[in-house]
Amino acid sequence: RKEVEQDPGPFNVPEGATVAFNCTYSNSASQSFFWYRQDCRKEPKLLMSVYSSGNEDGRFTAQLNRASQYISLLIRDSKLSDSATYLCVVNRYNFNKFYFGSGTKLNVKP
Amino acid sequence: DTEVTQTPKHLVMGMTNKKSLKCEQHMGHRAMYWYKQKAKKPPELMFVYSYEKLSINESVPSRFSPECPNSSLLNLHLHALQPEDSALYLCASSPGGTDRETQYFGPGTRLLVL
Repeated sequence: RKEVEQDPGPFNVPEGATVAFNCTYSNSASQSFFWYRQDCRKEPKLLMSVYSSGNEDGRFTAQLNRASQYISLLIRDSKLSDSATYLCVVNRYNFNKFYFGSGTKLNVKP
Repeated sequence: DTEVTQTPKHLVMGMTNKKSLKCEQHMGHRAMYWYKQKAKKPPELMFVYSYEKLSINESVPSRFSPECPNSSLLNLHLHALQPEDSALYLCASSPGGTDRETQYFGPGTRLLVL
């Protein structure tokens, strides 16, 4: 079983829509959780860190459910510029190895 | 400043060449990483250095040789590569040894092996 699993999409949504991605992780020792955004032919860029039950940053909300071992990312009022691949990344305490999901592709259409 | 720099941006090399990729960070991070990324796939871990010591080698072929000259620098030496090694090579760093490790990526080197 993969450490981190994501729906690869693509998710095709109109501008202004709300879209949610889920990510599940298999190891209950996982401690830190992240969403990265990656544009085509660019490096992953940190979007949000998720350490407790969740956090919000503008139009983006990340939630963590430790009991069910999943993380979600909600994007409200989607913009064309939100089109990218969103990577779910998980890390265990004091262990320098990060586990990546396969990424979820989002296309926001006018 | 959460900047990781990488040089060169692009590299074309033949299968008999020797080249090196360079990575630098000035955030005081003590963990540094090399990843390989193919199109439409997530980054794939190659090596981890922790406090300038190699801590993880993900069974990478010996034609890739990492080096960490000091806590700010990370090199990846390339020799006798194959065309299938063409990919985006990403360097990343994280603080190292904290309970909330966050990883930051450089812009990558796009490598083409002919």
